[in-house]
Amino acid sequence: QVQLQQSGPGLVKPSQTLSLTCAISGDSVSSNSAAWSWIRQSPSRGLEWLGRTYHRSKWYNDYAASVKSRITINPDTSKNEFSLQLNSVTPEDTAVYYCARVSCSGGTCGGGFGYWGQGTLVTVSS
Amino acid sequence: QSALTQPASVSGSPGQSITISCTGTSSDVGSYNLVSWYQHHPGKAPKLMIYEVNKRPSGVSNHFSGSKSGNTASLKISGLQAEDEAVYYCCSYGGSTTWVFGGGTELTVL
Repeated sequence: QVQLQQSGPGLVKPSQTLSLTCAISGDSVSSNSAAWSWIRQSPSRGLEWLGRTYHRSKWYNDYAASVKSRITINPDTSKNEFSLQLNSVTPEDTAVYYCARVSCSGGTCGGGFGYWGQGTLVTVSS
Repeated sequence: QSALTQPASVSGSPGQSITISCTGTSSDVGSYNLVSWYQHHPGKAPKLMIYEVNKRPSGVSNHFSGSKSGNTASLKISGLQAEDEAVYYCCSYGGSTTWVFGGGTELTVL
């Protein structure tokens, strides 16, 4: 059974960097049959996919256009986890942030986000 | 990438059937059979109910079903139960290695 455990601060000051980590159990961040995403949810935007990291003989990252200039998602194979960094945050970045796993097969990640972390409410405020 | 369009709310009585629509474009829903649906109860993580348009993960009741026609996907819930009351989100692969969600539909069981 895959489990995702999130950690990180719930309060970030404007212009600073939001940092969250997602620890994986029951699977490997290096799995060739999964991709690892960050998704956020806010009253104004609903659910918003932010980006993903995955390994297919080498590491790949994809990011949503809305945050591409500010986001970094990194895997850590030694800890079997992956992280989110979002730079230059504003109050608009206030949301519940989730990490999630999607199943992949034959080059397509169509299995849906079947496993989610518990969610972290991050408030951007001074 | 614009969000997929869902009705803000739907309602039904126990035992009835309801359908939630999810309208995208020819660049996302219309181009890929990679639509998924999520049930979201407040304070909990979203739960995958349907993937690849009409497939149910293990453990999801068969009173949930999905379909797609053109640029619109649909989630049907048959035999409504009180515990089905939640917010439902659709999601589609949007091309260019991105995913796009709908705005969410609040289901009320009367």
